[in-house]
Amino acid sequence: GQQVMQIPQYQHVQEGEDFTTYCNSSTTLSNIQWYKQRPGGHPVFLIQLVKSGEVKKQKRLTFQFGEAKKNSSLHITATQTTDVGTYFCAGWSVSNYKLTFGKGTLLTVNP
Amino acid sequence: DAGVIQSPRHEVTEMGQEVTLRCKPISGHDYLFWYRQTMMRGLELLIYFNNNVPIDDSGMPEDRFSAKMPNASFSTLKIQPSEPRDSAVYFCASSGRDRGLYEQFFGPGTRLTVL
Repeated sequence: GQQVMQIPQYQHVQEGEDFTTYCNSSTTLSNIQWYKQRPGGHPVFLIQLVKSGEVKKQKRLTFQFGEAKKNSSLHITATQTTDVGTYFCAGWSVSNYKLTFGKGTLLTVNP
Repeated sequence: DAGVIQSPRHEVTEMGQEVTLRCKPISGHDYLFWYRQTMMRGLELLIYFNNNVPIDDSGMPEDRFSAKMPNASFSTLKIQPSEPRDSAVYFCASSGRDRGLYEQFFGPGTRLTVL
């Protein structure tokens, strides 16, 4: 079945350092979404990417969708303590329209 | 809008008991999703509905789990009989075609503990 691998599983950074999490799907995706979950909270939608090669920015966050629509990345520039949480990607498969979440990357930031 | 509402927020039960989790989606949304989250397995999609009809239930672990959506404003996830390995946080999420996106809005979750 469809698999979405997300790496790294954990990332600890000093405040001000950059952070990147990567998402790879075993099947072609129609779109990919990114969510953030704060400790003890629920996932909150960040963004959706649909087009091949698409790049979107939200302040210090940059999201990319690969040319083959099988991978994606989220990059945070100059992390802040408010960025702490788990970042998930979620992809809708083209072939069977199944939604699969990656296992997430837990980001901790040392002030 | 109050967002997605889930009840109860916490549930502690004994093995073998029936557990019913409830969800009220955001008004106007036509998709509803049930997820289970554990440290070991991450966030798993159990089942989702479109216009109250179950579309994909391949994530439902076994016959002990069942989900219904009798109308557009209410859904239940039932576990009967419950087992300790069912302990997890269960999220409900709803989605609608807003601004061309199917952004999922998650409820606060139900933390289930089966002793």
